[in-house]
Amino acid sequence: GAGVSQSPSNKVTEKGKDVELRCDPISGHTALYWYRQSLGQGLEFLIYFQGNSAPDKSGLPSDRFSAERTGGSVSTLTIQRTQQEDSAVYLCASTTSGRLETQYFGPGTRLLVL
Amino acid sequence: EDQVTQSPEALRLQEGESSSLNCSYTVSGLRGLFWYRQDPGKGPEFLFTLYSAGEEKEKERLKATLTKKESFLHITAPKPEDSATYLCAVQRRGGLTGGGNKLTFGTGTQLKVEL
Repeated sequence: GAGVSQSPSNKVTEKGKDVELRCDPISGHTALYWYRQSLGQGLEFLIYFQGNSAPDKSGLPSDRFSAERTGGSVSTLTIQRTQQEDSAVYLCASTTSGRLETQYFGPGTRLLVL
Repeated sequence: EDQVTQSPEALRLQEGESSSLNCSYTVSGLRGLFWYRQDPGKGPEFLFTLYSAGEEKEKERLKATLTKKESFLHITAPKPEDSATYLCAVQRRGGLTGGGNKLTFGTGTQLKVEL
């Protein structure tokens, strides 16, 4: 069965440019999460979607970061006016609902801002 | 604020040399503690979820245990293919708007198993 997929797998951009990162969750998973993993840091929560709404956006580091989800499926994380400190691996996870709420992760998008 | 501390940061073992990884946590009401394995260049791969103190789970050479303050991942007779970074994370009990669903991760233990 298909797992969580993310694209692109790698992205190199110049400081000041906008980037869009895509996540395709496991089919039927209603909840979707974005995390960021910087070198030497633990995974850092960014935003959580339940269906198309985002009840928890508390981890977005600045107003340059935004995310949306459409059709209860695909999600896009957008970073505007990228900065060098945005360089990291951006991971997406999706989950079933209920008590056994295991988050299954995609392979990540490695973003390098020059 | 929820906190997760993993130790050691790095561990080098000989094949067959058993050991344990530690995950200490503080959380306002634990919903679940998760162990993941992460290989270089890949996303975290789910291993175990533990929900209450005293619970244990096993998978092949791995066994995870949970107390009220910490979790251990015991590795018995490891093989080189067990080399990876092992991540621990906690999920707080709570409503959707109370941060009740996100995972708070530690920085991981990088395990290297040598022949």
